[in-house]
Parts: sequence; structure tokens; C-alpha cells
Amino acid sequence: RKEVEQDPGPFNVPEGATVAFNCTYSNSASQSFFWYRQDCRKEPKLLMSVYSSGNEDGRFTAQLNRASQYISLLIRDSKLSDSATYLCVVNESTDKLIFGTGTRLQVFP
Amino acid sequence: DAGVIQSPRHEVTEMGQEVTLRCKPISGHNSLFWYRQTMMRGLELLIYFNNNVPIDDSGMPEDRFSAKMPNASFSTLKIQPSEPRDSAVYFCASSFIPGDPPQHFGDGTRLSIL
Repeated sequence: RKEVEQDPGPFNVPEGATVAFNCTYSNSASQSFFWYRQDCRKEPKLLMSVYSSGNEDGRFTAQLNRASQYISLLIRDSKLSDSATYLCVVNESTDKLIFGTGTRLQVFP
Repeated sequence: DAGVIQSPRHEVTEMGQEVTLRCKPISGHNSLFWYRQTMMRGLELLIYFNNNVPIDDSGMPEDRFSAKMPNASFSTLKIQPSEPRDSAVYFCASSFIPGDPPQHFGDGTRLSIL
């Protein structure tokens, strides 16, 4: 079983739609969690951290369920510029970041 | 401020040749990470350094791969001899505290082994 699993997509949604990505992780000792965004042929960039209480940054909401070892990212009012691959990232106790293979989002007009 | 700088941006070489990838981390960052990204396996950590010392090289695929960090501002990842299955995008990233994002990534080196 992969340490961090994501649905690869692609998710094709119209502008203005709400879309949600899910991610599961296998190591229950994992300590912190993040979403990174990677544009085509570019490097990954931190989108947001994920906290147990859930957190929001504008149109983006991240949630963590430690009991189910599940992380989610919700994007409201999708924009064309949101088209990218979204990487779920887990920080294990060994100070390593483990990246999921990513979920590709394509927003169309 | 300059970000993480990697060179070359692209490398095409024949199987069996030695390949050297270079990375300059962000000044003041004390951790440096080498990743490899492929469609099939996603982003995989190869090795990381803290204060120029290799901490975890368990992701290095085999003896053909080696990495060094002779000083705080420079690291190399070497593949010798190279094989077609090494074709991938290799990213270098740095951070101030290991495991604490944001890990700042370089633009990557797109490597093709023919």
C-alpha cells in the first residue's frame, strides 16, 4: 500500500464549480499535513497546511481526519487558473515529506 | 531573493554516460533535499542533508546514484553509469528546518537518457 494515496483524476470541472480532492495516508504517526500545487512542467509550491480543526484560505478549505487518516481539499468557485496538479503531502515523524502522486484538476470555461 | 537554483535545466545524454546535476539552496537554509519525479511513481525523496550532512539516503535507488554537499551553498547528484530508466525530472529543494515546509523547490532538471 502506498504511504499517501490520491485519486489521480483528472477532474474536469466548469468555472464556478466546487470540487473536492481526497487523500489517505498509511502512517498513523504522521505529524503534519499539507497541500502543494504543481503547474504543468513547473516545481511544486506549498498551497496550504492542513490542521486538525480544519482551515480555510479564501476559496480553499482543507480538513484532516486523524481517526480515518484522511485529508481533503475543497475548492469553491473554481477559476481557470486553478488548473494544476494538487499534491497531498504528509510529514512523518522521521522529518521526511511524503508526497502523493497528485490529483490533476482542469477547469474549463 | 534568489530561490533554489538548479542546473542544467535540461540534459539529454546517452546510456552509460555520467550525469551530474547541481543545486544551490536558498542562502540560510540548512536542509537540502533531492527528489525524482516520474509519471508512474510521482515525487520520490532520494536523499536529504541537514547542515551539509546526509541524514537519510534510503531513497537512493542504487549504487549508481551518489550525492554530495561539500558546503552550505552547493550540492550535486551524480548518476554513473546512467540508464534509460533514470529519465525523470530531478528537483532540489531547501528549507530552514527539516520537514517544515515550505520546502522551496528549484525549477528542476529534466533528464533524458537515450
